[in-house]
Amino acid sequence: AQSVTQPDIHITVSEGASLELRCNYSYGATPYLFWYVQSPGQGLQLLLKYFSGDTLVQGIKGFEAEFKRSQSSFNLRKPSVHWSDAAEYFCAVGGGSQGNLIFGKGTKLSVKP
Amino acid sequence: DSGVTQTPKHLITATGQRVTLRCSPRSGDLSVYWYQQSLDQGLQFLIQYYNGEERAKGNILERFSAQQFPDLHSELNLSSLELGDSALYFCASSFRAGGNTGELFFGEGSRLTVL
Repeated sequence: AQSVTQPDIHITVSEGASLELRCNYSYGATPYLFWYVQSPGQGLQLLLKYFSGDTLVQGIKGFEAEFKRSQSSFNLRKPSVHWSDAAEYFCAVGGGSQGNLIFGKGTKLSVKP
Repeated sequence: DSGVTQTPKHLITATGQRVTLRCSPRSGDLSVYWYQQSLDQGLQFLIQYYNGEERAKGNILERFSAQQFPDLHSELNLSSLELGDSALYFCASSFRAGGNTGELFFGEGSRLTVL
């Protein structure tokens, strides 16, 4: 069965520090992978997606993610975090015949000044 | 702005009642998805419609039902409400199903509180 694991429920980083959010997936075929961000009281916004090709993908707001098939991972990174990055981040896997996405439980990011 | 519109944004009701949540998908999108977000369960896929027909079912309770109309808007009906149904309900849309690799575009959600 498809599943997504985000092992970190809550992460706190200092503004200007680097960030890495972990995501592991279980999927029977080549996955299509996504990272979404949810600010308080808002819907989910797509940060980036991986379908095929270059395993390092660039997204909006300076985020990037790397697909590692051998580790079944799709970790999200940002070299320098801004206070406005405080939000909840969701990793998702899709590409099934139905088209729906399976989400991880999310990682809440807090940013210290 | 994702282009997906959900109403109402907030809804407070009592146990045993019935409510209807409405979703207008992004212009041109044929597929609508409903998700439930709660603190303990995270984001759970409920159901998907494509061009008026049910396409996939997730963890949707029998007390819940949905439909997609000819103009492609969708409604999620929740009946015999229980306290545990309190959650944020998201609608998302995409333009195709069946091998769809694309992203979903999410509305801002309808927050349901059952008292």
